[in-house]
Amino acid sequence: DSGVTQTPKHLITATGQRVTLRCSPRSGDLSVYWYQQSLDQGLQFLIQYYNGEERAKGNILERFSAQQFPDLHSELNLSSLELGDSALYFCASTQLGDRTDTQYFGPGTRLTVL
Amino acid sequence: QKEVEQDPGPLSVPEGAIVSLNCTYSNSAFQYFMWYRQYSRKGPELLMYTYSSGNKEDGRFTAQVDKSSKYISLFIRDSQPSDSATYLCAMSKPGANNLFFGTGTRLTVIP
Repeated sequence: DSGVTQTPKHLITATGQRVTLRCSPRSGDLSVYWYQQSLDQGLQFLIQYYNGEERAKGNILERFSAQQFPDLHSELNLSSLELGDSALYFCASTQLGDRTDTQYFGPGTRLTVL
Repeated sequence: QKEVEQDPGPLSVPEGAIVSLNCTYSNSAFQYFMWYRQYSRKGPELLMYTYSSGNKEDGRFTAQVDKSSKYISLFIRDSQPSDSATYLCAMSKPGANNLFFGTGTRLTVIP
């Protein structure tokens, strides 16, 4: 158990809908990263937050947004969902925002868009 | 072309075999190299971390980085059925916080 929690575990929804994925980092970690894992693309970095502020952006679509709250949990919002958004979504956390050797991953949320 | 390439396998070996997993990359800025293990329906778990070129050993696992060839390897000695998982290589650049992953190699160790 990495100490990172994600809810829900599974999400099934229809095209055009909007969903929110939630992540709680390990105790003491200030930075949260979101990744998307699909069969053909592997794990792709979406966005990073550090202590409530956006720190880095990757291949995140404009239909997707995220935020980190004062209690350091983070939410990833996916809107106008398409079939191709079906994937595993992972969050990872680190204590500091500028180190890459200790990213601890949560169990993921499996999103299915029908 | 992807920045990190990894043979997806699948790779099937008998118990006790030595396993070699590899990744190549194209960006010479990568300085930090990692191997993650991912069991089915679980999140990736950090196995090994190396900085720049060289070898690092941890129990049955050895990570190797050859920056001149832009090639990294993970060796698993005396492989066990519990090693059956997908192995992901990952790397990052100085000053950047996100990881660049290979697509993963699925390994099965047969008892």
